Amino acid sequence: DIRMTQSPSTVSAFVGDRVTITCRASQSIRDWLAWYQKKPGKAPKPLIYKASTLESGVPSRFSGSGFGTEFTLTISSLQPDDFATYYCQQLSTYPWTFGQGTRVEIK
Amino acid sequence: QLVESGGGLAQPGGSLRLSCVGSEFVFNNYEMNWVRQPPGKGLEWISNISLSDSTTQYVDSVKGRFIISRDNAKKSLYLQMNNLRVEDTAVYYCATGGLCTSGVCQSATYFKFWGQGTLVTVSS
Repeated sequence: DIRMTQSPSTVSAFVGDRVTITCRASQSIRDWLAWYQKKPGKAPKPLIYKASTLESGVPSRFSGSGFGTEFTLTISSLQPDDFATYYCQQLSTYPWTFGQGTRVEIK
Repeated sequence: QLVESGGGLAQPGGSLRLSCVGSEFVFNNYEMNWVRQPPGKGLEWISNISLSDSTTQYVDSVKGRFIISRDNAKKSLYLQMNNLRVEDTAVYYCATGGLCTSGVCQSATYFKFWGQGTLVTVSS
């Protein structure tokens, strides 16, 4: 199975800060990577797919990059609604796997 | 666009059947998935089914115990969960996968639509 490792596990930031989350795959997944935002009691919300394509309706402060085994999700200017847990997911090989999540907290 | 039901309390070794009802558009155009989130833990993909119901995939931890199926005429996705274990306790979500056009499905690039989840608790 492909292991997805996110770092950091938790990030504390102020509104307006730039936040970067890293996701590493245990083997190459080319660009078969998606990012989701998860809030308690809510369904995951897709943000990015194919590593860098922004889902329709997602604010442009979110961006994704990477290829192969290393990927990043960047929030250019953190907004109050962005405090949540973020997950990466590989869809290259079954079983599709998620990272363990990165919690973005208010500093 | 997706609504799960069927969650609840089950004993270890017991069974539950989850359902996910959606729109005609979803069930005519998407492969489907089940994803779960144990309390306080991360997301785990557990199963996938093709548009025509002919191909299924499972994570090893549920293989041989869970069965995914769909009835496109009823716009419904199912997850039959047998021989339940305490570690199956989680919120279970249905989600769309690969988009299909004229019966030809693209490889999933992400899960676009999700249900709100249904809680399954396995405890004696």
